[in-house]
Amino acid sequence: DAGITQSPRHKVTETGTPVTLRCHQTENHRYMYWYRQDPGHGLRLIHYSYGVKDTDKGEVSDGYSVSRSKTEDFLLTLESATSSQTSVYFCAISEPGQGSTEAFFGQGTRLTVV
Amino acid sequence: GDSVTQMEGPVTLSEEAFLTINCTYTATGYPSLFWYVQYPGEGLQLLLKATKADDKGSNKGFEATYRKETTSFHLEKGSVQVSDSAVYFCALRHKNTDKLIFGTGTRLQVFP
Repeated sequence: DAGITQSPRHKVTETGTPVTLRCHQTENHRYMYWYRQDPGHGLRLIHYSYGVKDTDKGEVSDGYSVSRSKTEDFLLTLESATSSQTSVYFCAISEPGQGSTEAFFGQGTRLTVV
Repeated sequence: GDSVTQMEGPVTLSEEAFLTINCTYTATGYPSLFWYVQYPGEGLQLLLKATKADDKGSNKGFEATYRKETTSFHLEKGSVQVSDSAVYFCALRHKNTDKLIFGTGTRLQVFP
């Protein structure tokens, strides 16, 4: 298994509170991605990073921010959590390769906003 | 923008039946195409991929062919097993940006 660790694995938080999810890799892969998985929507890209301090928005980036200060860590922050952000969040990593290389996924973080 | 469209599920089959899960895509240029599988309670794992037109990806009895003319990448298996029950995701990866885009997923249920 690729060395990807997501933390925490489960979290319940209250509306309006800040939340940070962490993705840690030991593979030294350049690309890291954050997705959310919701019934009927599949996996939707929130943000991704193509290097340290280099990030870009995905299709559902509103309400989320990310940071990547070192290769191995990619943080996803919900500045003020809302119930619509209740979801399962997945981190993925990959190497660049003109689109041909596979991505490896973490085990997911289940976030509940009450 | 780039997008992936999959057939809605669930797909319910008896063991040893033939499987097809349809996938079409919209993208600028010619992306790489992937099928990922998600077993209950787990993350996604790569099932197969194809990186250019007419390529056929295959793994564990599953196959999919990259059809540029119909912008499709349909997943097939000749004889499914109960252990194939999972959610299957079609995805594309843009060759210029490496952005990875997924479809909505199709749940497959195989009964003995």
